[in-house]
Amino acid sequence: DADVTQTPRNRITKTGKRIMLECSQTKGHDRMYWYRQDPGLGLRLIYYSFDVKDINKGEISDGYSVSRQAQAKFSLSLESAIPNQTALYFCATSPTDFYGYTFGSGTRLTVV
Amino acid sequence: AQSVTQLGSHVSVSEGALVLLRCNYSSSVPPYLFWYVQYPNQGLQLLLKYTSAATLVKGINGFEAEFKKSETSFHLTKPSAHMSDAAEYFCAVSDQGGSYIPTFGRGTSLIVHP
Repeated sequence: DADVTQTPRNRITKTGKRIMLECSQTKGHDRMYWYRQDPGLGLRLIYYSFDVKDINKGEISDGYSVSRQAQAKFSLSLESAIPNQTALYFCATSPTDFYGYTFGSGTRLTVV
Repeated sequence: AQSVTQLGSHVSVSEGALVLLRCNYSSSVPPYLFWYVQYPNQGLQLLLKYTSAATLVKGINGFEAEFKKSETSFHLTKPSAHMSDAAEYFCAVSDQGGSYIPTFGRGTSLIVHP
């Protein structure tokens, strides 16, 4: 099994629908992150969490919310999906600030 | 706030040629520096990192990068490109202080010709 598992891998949803992307990890890392990747823009941080009781907004948190259900689980929700949220979404984990990230395989989300 | 510039959204080389992917950052103090690789339909994988030890850092798959403080650069190199090196490469920088959340560059797509 992968160290960081994202579900679903692909999803097509309609404008206005609520959708949840899930991330689970077996690394035992405290820190978890959600990023969005768009062509030519690199990765942009949506939310991050340093432990179960710690949730922080990233640079593009508007329109998104998160839940840290356990050390191993970190979910991203789009309350009312819109077409410009069509993107590739990555979950990542790390044990410390300088260790580097372990990424999941991504969720490709299309909002029509 | 940190900024990261990767020069060239696409770099094309012939198999066996030198690979050079450029990364410059803005920081008043030495940061932590990372290079990641993303193969098609996969997540990002850590290639190498600089965390204030040796300025020349060796990573996986024959890649290495040199931290040059005077040039605020952390360019990625490989002496001889393989077809399997074709991928997207991302430079990331985080400050030693504050939240340490890295800022990612926009990525450079490496194309390797036979």
